[in-house]
Amino acid sequence: SQQGEEDPQALSIQEGENATMNCSYKTSINNLQWYRQNSGRGLVHLILIRSNEREKHSGRLRVTLDTSKKSSSLLITASRAADTASYFCATGDPNAGGTSYGKLTFGQGTILTVHP
Amino acid sequence: DSGVTQTPKHLITATGQRVTLRCSPRSGDLSVYWYQQSLDQGLQFLIHYYNGEERAKGNILERFSAQQFPDLHSELNLSSLELGDSALYFCASGAGGLRTQYFGPGTRLTVL
Repeated sequence: SQQGEEDPQALSIQEGENATMNCSYKTSINNLQWYRQNSGRGLVHLILIRSNEREKHSGRLRVTLDTSKKSSSLLITASRAADTASYFCATGDPNAGGTSYGKLTFGQGTILTVHP
Repeated sequence: DSGVTQTPKHLITATGQRVTLRCSPRSGDLSVYWYQQSLDQGLQFLIHYYNGEERAKGNILERFSAQQFPDLHSELNLSSLELGDSALYFCASGAGGLRTQYFGPGTRLTVL
């Protein structure tokens, strides 16, 4: 299965609630990134957390990283209808060589729907 | 707006044909990445170029090829197209390595 798998596959909440998405990965990482994709559009980078960091904040976003469990979570606080999108985590193995060097692997994503 | 441009936005063609997708990276970015996104396969990494050289390869079919030119723009060539090649094709650019990638708006390819 893929490096970087998100859970849940889909999440439906009301405006104002918090949304938590999780990502698990398999190999060592240099960093872990979260991206958002509005339907049929390009991915937008949200936040990057390095392997030696445990938590990072950006506005209403909070990302945690647990390298011992090979997992990360993305929390969106006080969600808005405009947060409706798919959210992907992406990882890369710093030890990958050859033709895998620099390759980011994206999970299948979590579809978040925020109802007004 | 990420600063990455892709043309065309939409492409409709027939099986067996060949198409070229074009990508211009953000100013200053030396790396260009190509991805394919379909409903059944998700977002799949195809290939990465850095300053004109191929650096990483993913699940790219032999019918597909790419290159990055001296002005750093990149083209993805898809030949002998099959129905299953219908997908969104994204280009991303960045500084390289495992750093942040900035995605273009994508090209939606439909093979009939």
